Amino acid sequence: NAGVTQTPKFQVLKTGQSMTLQCAQDMNHNSMYWYRQDPGMGLRLIYYSASEGTTDKGEVPNGYNVSRLNKREFSLRLESAAPSQTSVYFCASSERTDITQYFGPGTRLTVL
Amino acid sequence: QQQVKQSPQSLIVQKGGISIINCAYENTAFDYFPWYQQFPGKGPALLIAIRPDVSEKKEGRFTISFNKSAKQFSLHIMDSQPGDSATYFCAATYKLIFGTGTRLQVFP
Repeated sequence: NAGVTQTPKFQVLKTGQSMTLQCAQDMNHNSMYWYRQDPGMGLRLIYYSASEGTTDKGEVPNGYNVSRLNKREFSLRLESAAPSQTSVYFCASSERTDITQYFGPGTRLTVL
Repeated sequence: QQQVKQSPQSLIVQKGGISIINCAYENTAFDYFPWYQQFPGKGPALLIAIRPDVSEKKEGRFTISFNKSAKQFSLHIMDSQPGDSATYFCAATYKLIFGTGTRLQVFP
């Protein structure tokens, strides 16, 4: 039982490049989330998926897109990376949206 | 504006002391208040959580105190240990609005 897994662990991009961050959970959770963590700002919700087939914007969605591929997988795409998107990205999942979320180990992204 | 304000930003405590971290929220519709603990290089992990129908919840050395009328809640770590050194985040509501975090350092 791996919990929430994220790939890659580290990534360096040049401005304008695109990439997809992958997330998978094996806990049969309905809800999945993407956060970014920046120094002094805590964690901010980018997008979430309350259940398979649905996605909604969080606090900071601009510059990102998401896909809930199936119940297990939720990907985050940066179409044209910008230096302001340098951050640590966390994926999380929960059985439903109003209870405990379980976080993955994070992806450290640097955009030059 | 849905915000959760957390203080202090950093905290230094002697081993065996009490660590206290405070949070305040604005939206009275918030109904779930967890605290997460994060070690360097790791994702946050749930430490303890409370719903507004109780004023206090204790799990081992960790206690949440909740004041619904003041829209405030706090985390108390009794008998703080060096292994408690981490960053602590409060959060609120079902999509988890996070506080900005408190870096706790416990010195022996």
